[in-house]
Amino acid sequence: AQTVTQSQPEMSVQEAETVTLSCTYDTSESDYYLFWYKQPPSRQMILVIRQEAYKQQNATENRFSVNFQKAAKSFSLKISDSQLGDAAMYFCAYRNLGGGADGLTFGKGTHLIIQP
Amino acid sequence: DAGITQSPRHKVTETGTPVTLRCHQTENHRYMYWYRQDPGHGLRLIHYSYGVKDTDKGEVSDGYSVSRSKTEDFLLTLESATSSQTSVYFCAISEFQGADTQYFGPGTRLTVL
Repeated sequence: AQTVTQSQPEMSVQEAETVTLSCTYDTSESDYYLFWYKQPPSRQMILVIRQEAYKQQNATENRFSVNFQKAAKSFSLKISDSQLGDAAMYFCAYRNLGGGADGLTFGKGTHLIIQP
Repeated sequence: DAGITQSPRHKVTETGTPVTLRCHQTENHRYMYWYRQDPGHGLRLIHYSYGVKDTDKGEVSDGYSVSRSKTEDFLLTLESATSSQTSVYFCAISEFQGADTQYFGPGTRLTVL
């Protein structure tokens, strides 16, 4: 079974600064997808960014980018120019493309605090 | 935003009573999922559906059953609710399996006393 580990229960960053959230995962599969979801206090789960494992190029979405290291099984999220609206729980998630149960495997989350 | 609604949004019930949560989508997506979210655990997959009348178990399926009689609705039933099933329940949908992104509903907060 796959596991996803987020080692930082909480992170704090000054507004306009850059912050990196860590995620590692364990799998024996070679084809999979990785995701970062954001959960603000409203509780809605919002997709931030996704990465295909077969792509070497790191995904980027505006101020959000990832550092995907397949050999190290690491998938960190970098948020540049942090804004107050970025304050939320962030979840790293894995989805297998092979057999077995469908669905996402989530990490336990990192609570991101933005200091004004 | 994906057209996903969940009902009820909040529910308080007593131990031993049956509870049914409903997920409704207007996107005509084939795949639907139920997750639960607990402090310190992130989200965990309960059951999923890959078509009408086609369902399978996830990581934490004990004590839960599901049904899908039409594409737009996916029901989660707790036959006899227990306090350990107090949680926030999320429904998600995706158009395709595997590579496709899952979109989540707003969640249902269930409290079992």
